[in-house]
Amino acid sequence: RKEVEQDPGPFNVPEGATVAFNCTYSNSASQSFFWYRQDCRKEPKLLMSVYSSGNEDGRFTAQLNRASQYISLLIRDSKLSDSATYLCVVNSGKLTFGTGTRLTIIP
Amino acid sequence: DGGITQSPKYLFRKEGQNVTLSCEQNLNHDAMYWYRQDPGQGLRLIYYSQIVNDFQKGDIAEGYSVSREKKESFPLTVTSAQKNPTAFYLCASSFQDRGAEAFFGQGTRLTVV
Repeated sequence: RKEVEQDPGPFNVPEGATVAFNCTYSNSASQSFFWYRQDCRKEPKLLMSVYSSGNEDGRFTAQLNRASQYISLLIRDSKLSDSATYLCVVNSGKLTFGTGTRLTIIP
Repeated sequence: DGGITQSPKYLFRKEGQNVTLSCEQNLNHDAMYWYRQDPGQGLRLIYYSQIVNDFQKGDIAEGYSVSREKKESFPLTVTSAQKNPTAFYLCASSFQDRGAEAFFGQGTRLTVV
């Protein structure tokens, strides 16, 4: 079983829609969690850290469920500029990335 | 400006040659990482280092070697033993605190012909 699993997509959604991504992890000792965004042929950049209490940044909401070992990312009122690949990242002493979920927002 | 720098951005090598990719950071980060990304794929961990003069193998270390002689620098050598070296290589660094985010360099695209 992979340490971090994501649905690779692609997700093609109309502008203004709400889209949700999930990610599961296998190491119960994992201590911190992140969502990164990667644009085509660029390096990944931090989108949000993920906390047990959940956290929100504008249109983006991230949640962590330790009991079920999954993290989620919700994007509301999606914009064309949200088109990218979204990577979940788990830190268990080393940073392990999911395969990424490709999102395309359609005008 | 603080940051993490990878060089070169594009690199071409003939099959059978070793090649070293540079990664330098001036963020005073303790931990440094090397990842490989193939087209349409996620990032796979090659090697990581949490402290100077120490490093650990990641998931795909075969055919690669690293050194960590200075806190600022974590060069990656792609050896001739690596079967499919053509890929996008990304270096990252972070503070040791597990809640700390990682920052990435701009990556090196290696093409072996």
